[in-house]
Amino acid sequence: ETGVTQTPRHLVMGMTNKKSLKCEQHLGHNAMYWYKQSAKKPLELMFVYSLEERVENNSVPSRFSPECPNSSHLFLHLHTLQPEDSALYLCASSQDRTANTGELFFGEGSRLTVL
Amino acid sequence: AQKITQTQPGMFVQEKEAVTLDCTYDTSDPSYGLFWYKQPSSGEMIFLIYQGSYDQQNATEGRYSLNFQKARKSANLVISASQLGDSAMYFCAMRGLDSSYKLIFGSGTRLLVRP
Repeated sequence: ETGVTQTPRHLVMGMTNKKSLKCEQHLGHNAMYWYKQSAKKPLELMFVYSLEERVENNSVPSRFSPECPNSSHLFLHLHTLQPEDSALYLCASSQDRTANTGELFFGEGSRLTVL
Repeated sequence: AQKITQTQPGMFVQEKEAVTLDCTYDTSDPSYGLFWYKQPSSGEMIFLIYQGSYDQQNATEGRYSLNFQKARKSANLVISASQLGDSAMYFCAMRGLDSSYKLIFGSGTRLLVRP
């Protein structure tokens, strides 16, 4: 079992649907992240939570809504998405967001397809 | 602004040979960290190696070593004795002191190891 678990692994949704992506980390970390990976583009940081407080929102459209109820869980709520939102959404965690040496531990991602 | 450039979209290497994956970066931060991640087809991003900007020695982790040339702003990854399981996408990333939770990624290099 990986330290960071994402569900579902695959999701297909229509533009009018509402769905959520879930991430859980079992590493005792205090920072969690959402990244978006589109084809032929570098990973894009979407949101950062540190100790359950959102510390970064990288100009992400409001149709993406994050939630961090505790330091082990992170959600990404999706509503009225567009086809260009189809991508691999990666969750990550780290021990301390302020440490240069603190590498991120990633989940396997949720592959989202918007029809 | 920080930027990571990986100029090799794809690379081939013969099994058991060494391969170098290129990475150049641009930053105005006096202190920063450089990372390499591997992404197999499963999607998970796997941390490989870290180099701090003030580290005197080049980082090594098993078959991975980082050829850090600060004046050239390059941080190439060297994989020795390539194995079939090394076939994956490889991403170079950087985190600056003033944006400690923002890990900026390059566009990646796809490595294929030939038997």
